[in-house]
Amino acid sequence: KAGVTQTPRYLIKTRGQQVTLSCSPISGHRSVSWYQQTPGQGLQFLFEYFSETQRNKGNFPGRFSGRQFSNSRSEMNVSTLELGDSALYLCASSPTGVGEQFFGPGTRLTVL
Amino acid sequence: DAKTTQPPSMDCAEGRAANLPCNHSTISGNEYVYWYRQIHSQGPQYIIHGLKNNETNEMASLIITEDRKSSTLILPHATLRDTAVYYCIVRVANTNAGKSTFGDGTTLTVKP
Repeated sequence: KAGVTQTPRYLIKTRGQQVTLSCSPISGHRSVSWYQQTPGQGLQFLFEYFSETQRNKGNFPGRFSGRQFSNSRSEMNVSTLELGDSALYLCASSPTGVGEQFFGPGTRLTVL
Repeated sequence: DAKTTQPPSMDCAEGRAANLPCNHSTISGNEYVYWYRQIHSQGPQYIIHGLKNNETNEMASLIITEDRKSSTLILPHATLRDTAVYYCIVRVANTNAGKSTFGDGTTLTVKP
């Protein structure tokens, strides 16, 4: 079974721009969660989608948004990028959102 | 979810057992202990989880104290490839996995 895939793997943007990241979960997994990882803050939960609905949300500003499609693929969008948004963005999937999660390799976003 | 405390770093000789401790003194009766690890620049990888009984799989063993206030992850024969950051988290199993709170973890360095 193929693992969780994320595209692109690396991205460089400038302040004020917006960005869309994509995540394809493991086949059959309906839950997709997004995390932001920075050296200072560690691994922080952004939001979780299950069956195209946002089920949980972390403490991030409204500039961070996401969606999930009927095939469970998910996208994450960050508008009006700030320097502090530079981070590794990780996507994780699980069959129902309960139990262990399977993480993708991440997208390394650099904001200049 | 209960908070966990882990030592920031540990060393282990290659071929020896690596014992990684985790304190979760405020754990609730319905919270499970999960362990993940993150090798540099990759997404976290699920290792093992348990409620109150000791658990073993092909990767590791999990020993949970009788009062469930602490646990130890054991890698029986550490290799250089086990060098990673190890995260211990506690979570109610039937709640959304995406809400997992990852702390700072323990950086395990396996030395030849």
